[in-house]
Amino acid sequence: KQEVTQIPAALSVPEGENLVLNCSFTDSAIYNLQWFRQDPGKGLTSLLLIQSSQREQTSGRLNASLDKSSGRSTLYIAASQPGDSATYLCAVVTGNQFYFGTGTSLTVIP
Amino acid sequence: GAVVSQHPSRVICKSGTSVKIECRSLDFQATTMFWYRQFPKQSLMLMATSNEGSKATYEQGVEKDKFLINHASLTLSTLTVTSAHPEDSSFYICSARPTNSGNTIYFGEGSWLTVV
Repeated sequence: KQEVTQIPAALSVPEGENLVLNCSFTDSAIYNLQWFRQDPGKGLTSLLLIQSSQREQTSGRLNASLDKSSGRSTLYIAASQPGDSATYLCAVVTGNQFYFGTGTSLTVIP
Repeated sequence: GAVVSQHPSRVICKSGTSVKIECRSLDFQATTMFWYRQFPKQSLMLMATSNEGSKATYEQGVEKDKFLINHASLTLSTLTVTSAHPEDSSFYICSARPTNSGNTIYFGEGSWLTVV
């Protein structure tokens, strides 16, 4: 069964810093990997989707990479802002299912 | 982009009552919808896969008689928590896969259920 782990569980950084969130998965037979943002009391917002044939995707200040062979993905956030404070979830699609990590809670301090 | 709407976003119910949560795909048809549950500080866990016109497939450990799922049309799936108890209090979120769109899945905003 696919297991998805996210490190660190919580991260606090001053505004303006660049940061990296990590996601690892045990089964490399994935269809794609997706990064989500979850604000307190809210649902999921999709940030980036990487197909299994791709190595990375970029959107604005966000860059996600995928290394299937090692079972890892990273989400890079450049020039962090207080509005980036949220929980970030990675999820891998294996077969018909999403497998979610436990998330990284990010706090960007003004 | 595609929109999935969940209703209600928040609900409080008394212990022993039933509560229904709706998941609608607003601008696409979805043969398959998924229901997830998230307990505090835990990951999202798949509860069941809902297929239009047929019975839902439940994950191991999820009581199908307690969590009734109905996918009566290509744009609506409902989750009914029957005889709710405080331990059912959780964040429930659905997702929908457009028919003929491969593995692209869109998530609803989620529903917070509090059982008192």
